[in-house]
Amino acid sequence: GAGVSQSPSNKVTEKGKDVELRCDPISGHTALYWYRQSLGQGLEFLIYFQGNSAPDKSGLPSDRFSAERTGGSVSTLTIQRTQQEDSAVYLCASSRTSGSLGYEQYFGPGTRLTVT
Amino acid sequence: AQKITQTQPGMFVQEKEAVTLDCTYDTSDQSYGLFWYKQPSSGEMIFLIYQGSYDEQNATEGRYSLNFQKARKSANLVISASQLGDSAMYFCAMRGLGGSNYKLTFGKGTLLTVNP
Repeated sequence: GAGVSQSPSNKVTEKGKDVELRCDPISGHTALYWYRQSLGQGLEFLIYFQGNSAPDKSGLPSDRFSAERTGGSVSTLTIQRTQQEDSAVYLCASSRTSGSLGYEQYFGPGTRLTVT
Repeated sequence: AQKITQTQPGMFVQEKEAVTLDCTYDTSDQSYGLFWYKQPSSGEMIFLIYQGSYDEQNATEGRYSLNFQKARKSANLVISASQLGDSAMYFCAMRGLGGSNYKLTFGKGTLLTVNP
């Protein structure tokens, strides 16, 4: 079946602009996760959705970052007033549930964000 | 809090030989899962293998096996009969199981190069 898809694959934006990153999880997966991968910080957890609700937003680095999920499916990560330190690869993952069963998280190909 | 340590920034192996990638972890969770992911140059994170802390036997998936030593808090990945396509970054990760545990904590990764 289809895996996790993300768009765009690459995004170059000017400092100060807003960007939206999209994630389409595997059909039927109720849990969705956003991670960020950068050279200096490695892989960092950002936010987690169970259904449409986000029980934990503690990984979001600042209030410029927000995310939503609609219909228990597609999620959008929005970064407002982008800064150069936001440059990274943003990875989305999904799993059947967030509990003990369905524990494997399957990742999308990522969106490479470059802020100039 | 959870911590994953991968002490080998890079590893080299000859094609058809076996290689072991090291991973040690620390956690206060009683029940947890350990994962290995492969990230080729294309960027996608590929799930390889899972080991539950409650599993008495080491996990195996084809050419991949996880050498789990709970008392030593290690979860090394063994790749048998290396292939050129195994050249990639390999990440060890963990999460608590059940309750509100969901996010993966990753190590810094090991870059494996398979030589012909």
